[in-house]
Amino acid sequence: AQKITQTQPGMFVQEKEAVTLDCTYDTSDQSYGLFWYKQPSSGEMIFLIYQGSYDEQNATEGRYSLNFQKARKSANLVISASQLGDSAMYFCAMRGPFRQGGKLIFGQGTELSVKP
Amino acid sequence: DAGITQSPRHKVTETGTPVTLRCHQTENHRYMYWYRQDPGHGLRLIHYSYGVKDTDKGEVSDGYSVSRSKTEDFLLTLESATSSQTSVYFCAIRQEATNEKLFFGSGTQLSVL
Repeated sequence: AQKITQTQPGMFVQEKEAVTLDCTYDTSDQSYGLFWYKQPSSGEMIFLIYQGSYDEQNATEGRYSLNFQKARKSANLVISASQLGDSAMYFCAMRGPFRQGGKLIFGQGTELSVKP
Repeated sequence: DAGITQSPRHKVTETGTPVTLRCHQTENHRYMYWYRQDPGHGLRLIHYSYGVKDTDKGEVSDGYSVSRSKTEDFLLTLESATSSQTSVYFCAIRQEATNEKLFFGSGTQLSVL
């Protein structure tokens, strides 16, 4: 069975500092995808970054990077130079096999608070 | 924005009444999903569809049914709403062209009293 674990229910970071949000996963599939979504207080789910299981390089999208360690089955999100607007819930998710609909399985989320 | 519209945005209903939530997309995506979000559980998959009249269950499908009679609409029905179905419901589409990522609608806040 596939599983996503986010062990940090809440985190604080000082504005302009970097922060790492942890995510570990479990799957027996060789092909999978890992995603991070941001959910601000307004409630919408915003796609941040994607990493494929066969990608050799860590994904980056602006201030977001994904620290992918396949052997350890971890996919941590790194936010550089935190901004007040980064305060939100962050969800890690894993895409399952396409033969099973390619659906996403989500972790429980980490609430990030950025302090001025 | 991937052209996803959920309706209604908010709904209050009574236990035992039927409720239908609608997800409408404008970009002809094949895959559509219904998730519910509850505190402490993240998002959990209710049902998904991989084409017109093709649907399958997710991990929390009990008490829900879905229908997809045309590509653009995916309906979620609570046949007889219960208080445990009070939740925020998200519809999502899978964009097969770019990394298979899911885009989400704005959500529907459903309260069952």
